[in-house]
Amino acid sequence: GENVEQHPSTLSVQEGDSAVIKCTYSDSASNYFPWYKQELGKGPQLIIDIRSNVGEKKDQRIAVTLNKTAKHFSLHITETQPEDSAVYFCAASNVILTGGGNKLTFGTGTQLKVEL
Amino acid sequence: NAGVTQTPKFQVLKTGQSMTLQCAQDMNHEYMSWYRQDPGMGLRLIHYSVGAGITDQGEVPNGYNVSRSTTEDFPLRLLSAAPSQTSVYFCASRRQGAQTQYFGPGTRLLVL
Repeated sequence: GENVEQHPSTLSVQEGDSAVIKCTYSDSASNYFPWYKQELGKGPQLIIDIRSNVGEKKDQRIAVTLNKTAKHFSLHITETQPEDSAVYFCAASNVILTGGGNKLTFGTGTQLKVEL
Repeated sequence: NAGVTQTPKFQVLKTGQSMTLQCAQDMNHEYMSWYRQDPGMGLRLIHYSVGAGITDQGEVPNGYNVSRSTTEDFPLRLLSAAPSQTSVYFCASRRQGAQTQYFGPGTRLLVL
């Protein structure tokens, strides 16, 4: 099955700096890679996702890059703000294979702290 | 829309007790899932359903049962709770043809 590794487990940055979280996956058939943000006491919320036919995707201060050859993808947050402090999870899935299923394989999470 | 709702928010059980974690969604989503979240292990899929009357096992199904009698509800049953089932449980749903999953607020379960 799929295995997703995520690094770092904790990340502390100064407000206004950039933050980068990296994930690697093992199954070359995976073709969908979402990123979730989880605030304290809440459920995860999708912030951005990318499919394997795209190398990069941006949404305001957030971007995700995908390297299919190396089987890794990264989340980039620019101009970080205190409200970006949360746990971030990457995930991978084979959309064609799972079809109607929800078989996302998650990374172990990164605790991001944005300091004033 | 309330989205995905879960009850209870917090529960303490003794080993061997049974209970049902409730999950409901009002978005008419076909797909629903249960995950457990443990420190340092991310979210792991327990069971999922692609529609009413259809369920299947995920990565860690042992000790849990599910049923899907309606589109809206997807309860998770612990038949005989064990300390290893101490965790935070999340229910999620998504629309057929879409990949975005919507998560509930979670149920924190402590088994003594």
